Amino acid sequence: AQRVTQPEKLLSVFKGAPVELKCNYSYSGSPELFWYVQYSRQRLQLLLRHISRESIKGFTADLNKGETSFHLKKPFAQEEDSAMYYCALSGRGAQKLVFGQGTRLTINP
Amino acid sequence: DTGVSQNPRHKITKRGQNVTFRCDPISEHNRLYWYRQTLGQGPEFLTYFQNEAQLEKSRLLSDRFSAERPKGSFSTLEIQRTEQGDSAMYLCASSRAGGNQPQHFGDGTRLSIL
Repeated sequence: AQRVTQPEKLLSVFKGAPVELKCNYSYSGSPELFWYVQYSRQRLQLLLRHISRESIKGFTADLNKGETSFHLKKPFAQEEDSAMYYCALSGRGAQKLVFGQGTRLTINP
Repeated sequence: DTGVSQNPRHKITKRGQNVTFRCDPISEHNRLYWYRQTLGQGPEFLTYFQNEAQLEKSRLLSDRFSAERPKGSFSTLEIQRTEQGDSAMYLCASSRAGGNQPQHFGDGTRLSIL
């Protein structure tokens, strides 16, 4: 079964502190992993995908196949990072996205 | 390009009524997806089209739900005989074809069943 687990519904950190949003998945095969973000009053948008291996807005995520994890990290949080973050997976060649429950990140000044 | 457009933004209706939502994808995208999101949950896949062909439907999509994309452009999602449990945000997304292209989401239609 395909499943994405985000264990933290809420995460609060101070500005300038490191941030890590956890994501674990189960999938029999080689999935593609994504992080989507929804800022207040905005639509859901792609933040990054593991195959791109890029850093977006200072965020990075590494796919760990051994631990079946795809945690999102940023070394120094900024207030504008406050948002809802969703981890999602898709099977190779499959089209649908399977989302986690989401983590609401709040950056305190 | 204004991105994926969904109408209406909010629909309030009585239980038992039929409702229809519309999604206009990004113009050069030939894939279109519908998701449903309830409070405190991530979006759940409902169905997906490539051009006008409906290629996959979730078990969540009961017989009361039907989606169409007649000309391979806009899509409609109809719910017949609405029930309280249908209250949710209905999201549409579109993408280019080929591999796992990023999906671009609309603002959604929030359905409230009285």
